[in-house]
Amino acid sequence: DAKTTQPNSMESNEEEPVHLPCNHSTISGTDYIHWYRQLPSQGPEYVIHGLTSNVNNRMASLAIAEDRKSSTLILHRATLRDAAVYYCILSSGGYQKVTFGTGTKLQVIP
Amino acid sequence: DAGVIQSPRHEVTEMGQEVTLRCKPISGHDYLFWYRQTMMRGLELLIYFNNNVPIDDSGMPEDRFSAKMPNASFSTLKIQPSEPRDSAVYFCASSQTGGNYGETQYFGPGTRLLVL
Repeated sequence: DAKTTQPNSMESNEEEPVHLPCNHSTISGTDYIHWYRQLPSQGPEYVIHGLTSNVNNRMASLAIAEDRKSSTLILHRATLRDAAVYYCILSSGGYQKVTFGTGTKLQVIP
Repeated sequence: DAGVIQSPRHEVTEMGQEVTLRCKPISGHDYLFWYRQTMMRGLELLIYFNNNVPIDDSGMPEDRFSAKMPNASFSTLKIQPSEPRDSAVYFCASSQTGGNYGETQYFGPGTRLLVL
């Protein structure tokens, strides 16, 4: 599996934007970039995914570098409910097995 | 849809006892995954099924662990005999084949297992 690298932790003030980085220098052409988050005492939940182009949904935006070796998950206005561990993972087309790294623990400060 | 359903939500047992964890995937999903999460090792994939057939069980820690999927709506993960080091949160997830982009996995709430 191609590996991803994320900072262990980040802090953000409430109602400010948050940019969560992820490096994936060994990404292959068929790898999709997925982001999940895990709220305390819950299972991981899907946030967003993309291949080459930037993506937006109601939860977040995903900015993908032109060379695809890095990406950034953007939370436009952090709330206390966004405090979670955020995982960046790669998933190849048609291949279901993925590896969750240690993720980034986001702390939101009131 | 009710999402992925797991039972029990909490299990406390004594070392040496058999433990059975249960999972009902989302209807229509053809992939099912079992994960284990601990503070030390994070989230680990144990095994996954496609159309009820085990595809990759390389993450199963040892012979004490076994998983079955007798039909599309039910799977079990069994530990026999259980040991204290098996204490963890066990998650079940399911996904649906729909294209060449690595499908989104939907996770259940997990079973918190404590082996004394």
